Amino acid sequence: EPEVTQTPSHQVTQMGQEVILRCVPISNHLYFYWYRQILGQKVEFLVSFYNNEISEKSEIFDDQFSVERPDGSNFTLKIRSTKLEDSAMYFCASRDSGGASYEQYFGPGTRLTVT
Amino acid sequence: SQQGEEDPQALSIQEGENATMNCSYKTSINNLQWYRQNSGRGLVHLILIRSNEREKHSGRLRVTLDTSKKSSSLLITASRAADTASYFCATVPPTSGSRLTFGEGTQLTVNP
Repeated sequence: EPEVTQTPSHQVTQMGQEVILRCVPISNHLYFYWYRQILGQKVEFLVSFYNNEISEKSEIFDDQFSVERPDGSNFTLKIRSTKLEDSAMYFCASRDSGGASYEQYFGPGTRLTVT
Repeated sequence: SQQGEEDPQALSIQEGENATMNCSYKTSINNLQWYRQNSGRGLVHLILIRSNEREKHSGRLRVTLDTSKKSSSLLITASRAADTASYFCATVPPTSGSRLTFGEGTQLTVNP
């Protein structure tokens, strides 16, 4: 069964450094998402991406964040200058555009630790 | 406003028993979905119920939706130890694309 994959599974970085989190969505999907989950808290929406542009973003997704689909398979989240409070699990998700299907398929996540 | 609040926050039952988790939300929705998350893992979609549906079944799962009360429930029948996980409801508003707004989750423990 096709699945969303994410790399790395765990990333440790120092405050102020740039990080790029990578995702490979399911191949025929057209909508892509990033969510994050701070330890012990609920999952929060960051951004959605469709047709090579951001379709929606939350207030969390400020100028420090950017997304890109550099080729036909990868979908990346970049944090330019990490802060301690960026430490969280980051989940990528994708869905197809068939009918009224809103089911999103999530990757296993990247645990980001900012020290 | 906070969307998707589950209760109870934690539920511990014996294998074979039924587990019921509730979710309330504040704004109108297009659909409501339930996801499962095993510890430290990603989210797995369980079931989706649309705003014009009242009940839906999938295997041992039964979901109800009451849009007048802005609430939903997830029932897992004949629970198994493998059902131990966190369960989240997530709503999709009618106007803001397809972003999911998650609740706080219910931690379900099924004791063998």
